[in-house]
Amino acid sequence: QSALTQPASVSGSPGQWITISCTGTSSDVGGYNSVSWYQQLPGKAPKLIIYDVATRPSGVSNRFSGSKSGNTASLIITGLQTGDEADYYCGTWDNSLSAWVFGGGTKLTVL
Amino acid sequence: QGQLVQSGAEVKKSGASVKVSCKASGYNFPDYDIYWVRQARGQGLEWMGWISSYNRATKYTERLQGRVTMTTDTSTSTAYMELRSLTYDDTAIYYCARGWKLKWLDPWGQGTLVTVSS
Repeated sequence: QSALTQPASVSGSPGQWITISCTGTSSDVGGYNSVSWYQQLPGKAPKLIIYDVATRPSGVSNRFSGSKSGNTASLIITGLQTGDEADYYCGTWDNSLSAWVFGGGTKLTVL
Repeated sequence: QGQLVQSGAEVKKSGASVKVSCKASGYNFPDYDIYWVRQARGQGLEWMGWISSYNRATKYTERLQGRVTMTTDTSTSTAYMELRSLTYDDTAIYYCARGWKLKWLDPWGQGTLVTVSS
């Protein structure tokens, strides 16, 4: 069981937008503005797409954005494309565990 | 931007050890940490631990404490992860990733498949 809770799957149609939630506690998500998100395309290594809750690394599409409220962080993807089909993971440091924790991952299907 | 290149796939017998390497390029190696993450087939990401490339301080997940050792060689900008007393449950893809102050992991290596057989 993962320390951070994500929905197992989400789906949307091309052009639509979706949100993936990542729920933790005050020791991890709620305690720091350091939540990051990773996109893992099929058969590939994960790739950083959001860090510090809402900052996009250089080269990442502005269709990806992040936010946080309390102990829940969210990844928002607008203008869905078939190429966005991937697994998405949130991650952050857990100060009570002194460990990095990931969410269980969310499989995005673009119908 | 930085790049991490990992060693090739390994097949090990149960009870053996494996050592995976991760060679960094394109950035100043001592300025960042190296994280190790593994992923069993069809499963999510599991953080294994990290090592400071600056002072070699380490932090391991409790689950692997006593079986895992992470090291770095600053002269070659290479990090290593050794896992001992392998069991079938250790079969997974092992990734290294550059980390910054417990905030993010980027980039990631291409992954090393470790298969443990009986």
